[in-house]
This record gives sequence, structure tokens and C-alpha cells, in this order.
Amino acid sequence: DTEVTQTPKHLVMGMTNKKSLKCEQHMGHRAMYWYKQKAKKPPELMFVYSYEKLSINESVPSRFSPECPNSSLLNLHLHALQPEDSALYLCASSQQTLGLNQPQHFGDGTRLSIL
Amino acid sequence: DQQVKQNSPSLSVQEGRISILNCDYTNSMFDYFLWYKKYPAEGPTFLISISSIKDKNEDGRFTVFLNKSAKHLSLHIVPSQPGDSAVYFCAAREGTSGSRLTFGEGTQLTVNP
Repeated sequence: DTEVTQTPKHLVMGMTNKKSLKCEQHMGHRAMYWYKQKAKKPPELMFVYSYEKLSINESVPSRFSPECPNSSLLNLHLHALQPEDSALYLCASSQQTLGLNQPQHFGDGTRLSIL
Repeated sequence: DQQVKQNSPSLSVQEGRISILNCDYTNSMFDYFLWYKKYPAEGPTFLISISSIKDKNEDGRFTVFLNKSAKHLSLHIVPSQPGDSAVYFCAAREGTSGSRLTFGEGTQLTVNP
């Protein structure tokens, strides 16, 4: 069982739709992450939030908009996506970003398909 | 430039034997290394990690070895079980980058009964 919960598990949307992916953790972690994973490839970091502030944006297109409403929640707002954005979107959390050697714990992801 | 490499896309092992998964890296600033296991339709699950100040870390059936001079780490699973069949990702963190993990391409381990 994962302690990082992502919803929905699957999402199919058109290129003009607006949707949001949600992630929740109750481990008291203060760092949260969004990754994108294409088939047979490793996860690629998109965004990092540390203490609810965006600390890393890996040059992600603006059609992806992250939001961290509080220390337990992380959203990824999607708008005007392209077919190549179809992928597994993974959320992860860790105790914090700096100093400690602490692993990131992943959710099961949202499988996103863009029509 | 791929800084973390897992050169074996797949590995097949008999149940009860040792599985050895390998990972090479090029960035000498990496100071923390992790192994994740991934089943289909699930997210990566953290298995074991090692700091660059150590050369071995053990947790039950899983042992990670780090050879800094060779920039090489390996994951040993003994004894291997059919339930260990999954994709294994090696990941590394550069201390100054804070939280950014660099992943290898993964190795599909199949443990045959």
C-alpha cells in the first residue's frame, strides 16, 4: 500500500480540456514532487515543492501548472495538452529537500491519455 | 548525457539464487543512491539506499554495494523470489541539487520458479 495517494488513476482528456491531477500524503513530509514517466523510460522530474513553495521547475511548459494548497496536498492543473503529454504522472514526497538522506516515496500515478 | 546507466535492460534468475543488478554513474558529485522497484500499474517503491560515505548497506534480502572509485553500485537480492519480478531503477542525488534524483533506465528482473 502506498502512503502517497493520487487521483484519478486514469484520465482521458481532449486537447482543449482543463483537468487537475491530485496528490495527497499524510506522512508529515514537507517536500512534494511531480514526475512524468513515459513507457519503458525512467521518471523525469517536473516540479519540486519545498515547504509549500515551488523550488524547482524543470522548464516544464506552462500548460502544466502545479499548486500546493497545503503541506499535504499537491495538484497539477492541465490545460491545452498535446498528445505527446500522454504519460504516467507520478507524485512523490520526502521529509524535506535538503540535508537529510531521505528517500522519496511515490504514489501509483495517474495514467493520462490525450486525445 | 546520461549520468546514471543501467546497462542491462533485463535479467532472468532462478528462484532461490542471487540476483545482481548493476548501475554505473558518471557524476562524482552524487552523494546518495537509491534503488526502487516498480510493478506494472504501480508507482516506484523505495527499496534501499546508501550514502556515499558507506560502501555497503543491508536490509533483509537486499544489499546495496557502492564502489566510489569505479562509480558503480549494485543491488544484490538473496534469495530471489518470484515476487521480486519487477523493473528496478537505480537513482542518484547530487548533494548540491537538494532533491533532484537522476534515474537510470531500469532493469527488468524476472525470477523464474
